[in-house]
Amino acid sequence: SQKIEQNSEALNIQEGKTATLTCNYTNYSPAYLQWYRQDPGRGPVFLLLIRENEKEKRKERLKVTFDTTLKQSLFHITASQPADSATYLCAGTSYGKLTFGQGTILTVHP
Amino acid sequence: DVKVTQSSRYLVKRTGEKVFLECVQDMDHENMFWYRQDPGLGLRLIYFSYDVKMKEKGDIPEGYSVSREKKERFSLILESASTNQTSMYLCAINNRGTSGRNTGELFFGEGSRLTVL
Repeated sequence: SQKIEQNSEALNIQEGKTATLTCNYTNYSPAYLQWYRQDPGRGPVFLLLIRENEKEKRKERLKVTFDTTLKQSLFHITASQPADSATYLCAGTSYGKLTFGQGTILTVHP
Repeated sequence: DVKVTQSSRYLVKRTGEKVFLECVQDMDHENMFWYRQDPGLGLRLIYFSYDVKMKEKGDIPEGYSVSREKKERFSLILESASTNQTSMYLCAINNRGTSGRNTGELFFGEGSRLTVL
Protein backbone atom coordinates (compact mmCIF):
# COMPACT_ATOMS: atom_id res chain seq x y z
CA SER A 1 0.00 0.00 0.00
CA GLN A 2 1.15 3.54 -0.59
CA LYS A 3 3.10 4.92 2.30
CA ILE A 4 4.50 8.25 3.44
CA GLU A 5 7.19 8.12 6.10
CA GLN A 6 8.59 10.99 8.06
CA ASN A 7 11.73 9.53 9.47
CA SER A 8 12.14 11.68 12.54
CA GLU A 9 9.49 11.67 15.18
CA ALA A 10 11.11 14.68 16.82
CA LEU A 11 13.75 17.23 15.89
CA ASN A 12 15.38 19.70 18.26
CA ILE A 13 17.43 22.63 16.99
CA GLN A 14 18.80 25.96 18.18
CA GLU A 15 17.21 29.23 17.19
CA GLY A 16 18.74 30.68 14.06
CA LYS A 17 19.73 27.31 12.58
CA THR A 18 18.11 25.66 9.58
CA ALA A 19 15.65 22.88 10.34
CA THR A 20 15.49 20.09 7.76
CA LEU A 21 12.64 17.59 7.84
CA THR A 22 12.50 14.49 5.66
CA CYS A 23 9.57 12.81 3.97
CA ASN A 24 9.96 9.53 2.03
CA TYR A 25 7.32 7.78 -0.03
CA THR A 26 7.08 4.11 -1.01
CA ASN A 27 4.93 1.95 -3.25
CA TYR A 28 3.62 4.84 -5.33
CA SER A 29 4.56 8.00 -7.18
CA PRO A 30 2.69 11.02 -5.87
CA ALA A 31 1.90 13.71 -8.40
CA TYR A 32 2.59 16.27 -5.71
CA LEU A 33 3.63 16.58 -2.11
CA GLN A 34 2.25 18.95 0.47
CA TRP A 35 3.50 20.17 3.82
CA TYR A 36 1.32 21.25 6.72
CA ARG A 37 1.97 22.74 10.13
CA GLN A 38 -0.04 21.61 13.13
CA ASP A 39 -0.04 23.23 16.56
CA PRO A 40 -1.16 21.23 19.63
CA GLY A 41 -4.93 20.75 19.73
CA ARG A 42 -5.45 22.54 16.40
CA GLY A 43 -6.12 21.49 12.82
CA PRO A 44 -3.27 21.32 10.29
CA VAL A 45 -2.53 24.44 8.28
CA PHE A 46 -1.34 24.18 4.69
CA LEU A 47 2.16 25.56 4.02
CA LEU A 48 3.48 24.50 0.63
CA LEU A 49 2.73 22.23 -2.32
CA ILE A 50 5.33 20.97 -4.80
CA ARG A 51 4.62 19.09 -8.01
CA GLU A 52 6.65 16.15 -9.28
CA ASN A 53 8.04 18.20 -12.14
CA GLU A 54 9.27 20.91 -9.76
CA LYS A 55 12.61 20.46 -8.07
CA GLU A 56 12.25 23.17 -5.45
CA LYS A 57 9.77 25.67 -4.11
CA ARG A 58 10.22 28.56 -1.71
CA LYS A 59 7.98 30.70 0.45
CA GLU A 60 9.63 33.22 2.75
CA ARG A 61 11.85 31.17 5.13
CA LEU A 62 10.46 27.86 3.88
CA LYS A 63 11.90 25.68 1.13
CA VAL A 64 10.66 22.35 -0.16
CA THR A 65 12.40 19.96 -2.56
CA PHE A 66 11.04 16.98 -4.46
CA ASP A 67 13.48 14.28 -5.57
CA THR A 68 11.70 11.58 -7.60
CA THR A 69 14.88 9.51 -7.82
CA LEU A 70 15.33 9.30 -4.07
CA LYS A 71 11.53 9.29 -3.57
CA GLN A 72 11.95 12.02 -1.05
CA SER A 73 10.93 15.53 -0.12
CA LEU A 74 12.95 17.78 2.16
CA PHE A 75 11.38 20.66 4.05
CA HIS A 76 13.67 23.41 5.27
CA ILE A 77 13.02 26.28 7.65
CA THR A 78 15.87 28.76 7.57
CA ALA A 79 16.69 31.13 10.46
CA SER A 80 14.40 29.10 12.68
CA GLN A 81 12.57 30.74 15.56
CA PRO A 82 10.91 29.31 18.70
CA ALA A 83 7.56 30.23 17.08
CA ASP A 84 8.33 27.63 14.39
CA SER A 85 7.96 24.88 17.02
CA ALA A 86 5.10 22.65 15.90
CA THR A 87 4.35 19.32 14.25
CA TYR A 88 4.97 19.28 10.52
CA LEU A 89 3.05 16.86 8.32
CA CYS A 90 3.96 15.65 4.86
CA ALA A 91 1.26 14.39 2.50
CA GLY A 92 1.43 12.87 -0.96
CA THR A 93 -1.31 12.96 -3.59
CA SER A 94 -1.78 10.38 -6.30
CA TYR A 95 -4.96 10.07 -8.40
CA GLY A 96 -6.80 12.30 -5.97
CA LYS A 97 -5.90 10.25 -2.91
CA LEU A 98 -4.01 12.07 -0.19
CA THR A 99 -1.80 10.04 2.15
CA PHE A 100 -0.33 11.66 5.26
CA GLY A 101 2.85 10.89 7.12
CA GLN A 102 2.84 10.70 10.90
CA GLY A 103 4.48 14.04 11.37
CA THR A 104 7.70 15.38 12.85
CA ILE A 105 7.62 17.40 16.07
CA LEU A 106 10.01 20.32 15.67
CA THR A 107 11.24 22.18 18.75
CA VAL A 108 13.32 25.31 18.28
CA HIS A 109 15.21 26.25 21.44
CA PRO A 110 16.01 29.90 22.18
CA ASP B 1 -10.56 33.86 4.61
CA VAL B 2 -11.66 30.25 4.29
CA LYS B 3 -13.65 29.11 7.30
CA VAL B 4 -14.28 25.49 8.25
CA THR B 5 -16.20 25.25 11.51
CA GLN B 6 -16.51 22.12 13.59
CA SER B 7 -19.39 22.42 16.01
CA SER B 8 -17.76 20.87 19.08
CA ARG B 9 -14.13 21.14 20.13
CA TYR B 10 -14.44 18.61 22.96
CA LEU B 11 -16.99 15.87 23.54
CA VAL B 12 -17.26 13.10 26.10
CA LYS B 13 -19.70 10.32 25.31
CA ARG B 14 -20.52 6.90 26.71
CA THR B 15 -20.13 3.59 24.90
CA GLY B 16 -23.18 2.88 22.76
CA GLU B 17 -24.27 6.49 22.42
CA LYS B 18 -24.98 7.99 19.01
CA VAL B 19 -22.61 10.83 18.21
CA PHE B 20 -22.93 13.56 15.61
CA LEU B 21 -19.95 15.65 14.56
CA GLU B 22 -20.86 18.63 12.43
CA CYS B 23 -18.73 20.52 9.96
CA VAL B 24 -19.76 23.69 8.15
CA GLN B 25 -17.86 25.54 5.44
CA ASP B 26 -18.43 28.98 4.01
CA MET B 27 -16.64 28.39 0.70
CA ASP B 28 -19.46 26.93 -1.40
CA HIS B 29 -17.03 24.13 -2.17
CA GLU B 30 -17.85 20.65 -3.38
CA ASN B 31 -15.26 18.47 -1.65
CA MET B 32 -15.44 17.82 2.08
CA PHE B 33 -13.54 15.23 4.11
CA TRP B 34 -13.55 13.62 7.54
CA TYR B 35 -10.27 12.38 9.02
CA ARG B 36 -9.31 10.97 12.37
CA GLN B 37 -5.89 11.55 13.88
CA ASP B 38 -4.26 9.23 16.38
CA PRO B 39 -0.73 9.23 17.85
CA GLY B 40 1.56 7.05 15.79
CA LEU B 41 -1.03 6.54 13.05
CA GLY B 42 -1.25 10.02 11.55
CA LEU B 43 -4.32 11.25 9.71
CA ARG B 44 -6.60 8.60 8.24
CA LEU B 45 -9.48 9.31 5.89
CA ILE B 46 -12.88 8.09 7.09
CA TYR B 47 -15.27 9.43 4.43
CA PHE B 48 -15.40 12.18 1.87
CA SER B 49 -18.11 13.84 -0.17
CA TYR B 50 -17.77 15.55 -3.52
CA ASP B 51 -21.31 16.93 -3.71
CA VAL B 52 -24.64 17.10 -1.92
CA LYS B 53 -25.95 13.61 -1.09
CA MET B 54 -22.78 12.04 -2.53
CA LYS B 55 -20.32 10.18 -0.33
CA GLU B 56 -17.34 7.89 -0.73
CA LYS B 57 -15.67 5.62 1.80
CA GLY B 58 -12.15 6.45 2.80
CA ASP B 59 -9.61 4.10 4.34
CA ILE B 60 -11.37 3.43 7.65
CA PRO B 61 -15.15 3.83 7.25
CA GLU B 62 -16.17 1.00 9.58
CA GLY B 63 -18.28 2.20 12.50
CA TYR B 64 -19.01 5.55 10.84
CA SER B 65 -21.54 7.06 8.48
CA VAL B 66 -21.89 10.51 6.97
CA SER B 67 -24.58 12.86 5.78
CA ARG B 68 -24.44 15.73 3.30
CA GLU B 69 -27.89 17.20 2.81
CA LYS B 70 -26.63 20.72 2.10
CA LYS B 71 -23.50 21.80 0.32
CA GLU B 72 -22.07 23.66 3.27
CA ARG B 73 -22.59 20.94 5.90
CA PHE B 74 -20.96 17.53 6.24
CA SER B 75 -21.81 15.43 9.27
CA LEU B 76 -19.97 12.43 10.68
CA ILE B 77 -22.12 9.97 12.60
CA LEU B 78 -21.06 7.31 15.05
CA GLU B 79 -24.14 5.10 15.34
CA SER B 80 -22.93 3.38 18.50
CA ALA B 81 -19.77 4.89 19.90
CA SER B 82 -17.03 2.59 21.12
CA THR B 83 -13.90 3.30 23.14
CA ASN B 84 -11.66 2.69 20.11
CA GLN B 85 -13.31 5.68 18.46
CA THR B 86 -11.74 8.00 21.02
CA SER B 87 -9.73 10.30 18.77
CA MET B 88 -9.27 13.75 17.26
CA TYR B 89 -11.65 14.19 14.32
CA LEU B 90 -10.77 16.68 11.63
CA CYS B 91 -12.98 18.03 8.88
CA ALA B 92 -11.38 19.47 5.75
CA ILE B 93 -12.30 20.99 2.41
CA ASN B 94 -10.37 21.32 -0.81
CA ASN B 95 -9.19 24.86 -1.23
CA ARG B 96 -10.12 26.58 -4.43
CA GLY B 97 -7.34 28.56 -6.10
CA THR B 98 -7.72 31.86 -7.87
CA SER B 99 -8.58 30.03 -11.10
CA GLY B 100 -11.56 28.44 -9.36
CA ARG B 101 -10.12 24.93 -9.69
CA ASN B 102 -9.33 22.55 -6.84
CA THR B 103 -5.72 23.16 -5.93
CA GLY B 104 -5.22 19.96 -4.00
CA GLU B 105 -4.33 21.35 -0.62
CA LEU B 106 -6.78 20.92 2.21
CA PHE B 107 -8.17 23.52 4.56
CA PHE B 108 -8.92 22.01 7.99
CA GLY B 109 -11.23 22.87 10.82
CA GLU B 110 -9.95 23.13 14.37
CA GLY B 111 -10.81 19.54 15.20
CA SER B 112 -13.20 17.77 17.57
CA ARG B 113 -11.62 15.75 20.33
CA LEU B 114 -13.96 12.89 21.19
CA THR B 115 -13.56 10.74 24.27
CA VAL B 116 -15.72 7.63 24.56
CA LEU B 117 -15.94 6.19 28.06
